[in-house]
Amino acid sequence: LAKTTQPISMDSYEGQEVNITCSHNNIATNDYITWYQQFPSQGPRFIIQGYKTKVTNEVASLFIPADRKSSTLSLPRVSLSDTAVYYCLVAPKGSGGGGADGLTFGKGTHLIIQP
Amino acid sequence: DGGITQSPKYLFRKEGQNVTLSCEQNLNHDAMYWYRQDPGQGLRLIYYSQIVNDFQKGDIAEGYSVSREKKESFPLTVTSAQKNPTAFYLCASSINDNNYEQYFGPGTRLTVT
Repeated sequence: LAKTTQPISMDSYEGQEVNITCSHNNIATNDYITWYQQFPSQGPRFIIQGYKTKVTNEVASLFIPADRKSSTLSLPRVSLSDTAVYYCLVAPKGSGGGGADGLTFGKGTHLIIQP
Repeated sequence: DGGITQSPKYLFRKEGQNVTLSCEQNLNHDAMYWYRQDPGQGLRLIYYSQIVNDFQKGDIAEGYSVSREKKESFPLTVTSAQKNPTAFYLCASSINDNNYEQYFGPGTRLTVT
């Protein structure tokens, strides 16, 4: 299953837009892209999921180019409370964890927001 | 108030003892998962269950066992065969195995000395 690569860490400031990019060069036709947010000593929280083009919800946008080899999570006007680790997962729907690779979270991107 | 609960939040055990971590959900989800997280690392899948009375090994199942006798419950036993059991354990559920919108519990931090 597709492996993902994300920056280990990023810094930004309150009120800025933050874009976190995930590379997944080996993404398969039936793979979906899912992003999670995790605060220290808590379980991850689902942010957004998409297959192609653009998906937007109340907290974030997900941009996926036509070749789907990467995706960008966009957080508008971040605040200090957005400091967290963000994980990108790529896996086919319906795999049910079969092979389990799709349900392994990498190290993620540690986003630090400063005042 | 729907959600997924794990207990206890902190657990201490002596080496050589088996310990069972509880995970309960009232979301009516079919699929449930157990992950392990080590400091500064991502989550690794231990076991998952797509439906009652069925479960599958994940990447790091050795030294662990699970059961799924009820839809809402998926307990994880960390056995004495697990060489490095000290970790943060996270349970999650999803509507079914066709959906990666997983809901996570608060986690159990297990320390074995």
